[in-house]
Amino acid sequence: DTGVSQNPRHKITKRGQNVTFRCDPISEHNRLYWYRQTLGQGPEFLTYFQNEAQLEKSRLLSDRFSAERPKGSFSTLEIQRTEQGDSAMYLCASSSPGDTQYFGPGTRLTVL
Amino acid sequence: AQSVAQPEDQVNVAEGNPLTVKCTYSVSGNPYLFWYVQYPNRGLQFLLKYITGDNLVKGSYGFEAEFNKSQTSFHLKKPSALVSDSALYFCAVRGSNTNAGKSTFGDGTTLTVKP
Repeated sequence: DTGVSQNPRHKITKRGQNVTFRCDPISEHNRLYWYRQTLGQGPEFLTYFQNEAQLEKSRLLSDRFSAERPKGSFSTLEIQRTEQGDSAMYLCASSSPGDTQYFGPGTRLTVL
Repeated sequence: AQSVAQPEDQVNVAEGNPLTVKCTYSVSGNPYLFWYVQYPNRGLQFLLKYITGDNLVKGSYGFEAEFNKSQTSFHLKKPSALVSDSALYFCAVRGSNTNAGKSTFGDGTTLTVKP
């Protein structure tokens, strides 16, 4: 399968802990996006990369959130000092510039 | 700023009947418009898009959508609904600038098709 993959699929953590998620995009796509989705809402944009450059960040991305794409391939999203309000589905997508974004299966985060 | 409205939280249709899921948008310049479907605990699956050209676009699983510039709408349609079409549907918009990365999504419409 050459689609977008995300790991882990589920993460349960205690408030205050740090978590890291990984996204592997479709190999020929140079753009990678992170979105967050809470129950009953559509995905909300967090950030996106073109190759290794982070081109845009949402104000939703507080200083506890950081995303990297060091080699322009896979990306990681880290949340420090998690809060219960961080509980959500974190979605990754990839695309070529100006083209359709294809989504991975998501990582569901539960903060206890 | 760009935005999407999906005015119906829920749409119910009988199997075999036509279905419509509504979407209106706001964006600067020409829009790129998308429909995605989401099944429980899954990511979003791309259905179709409008970039330019014919206002009626066809996509996966027999779905189609009509772009109406004057009404800023992009309604999803299917002539004959299947029970398996029951899912959560999202409309999304993005600017046509190649540098535009962010897509804005509506809050989704739950489609239920009853046998």
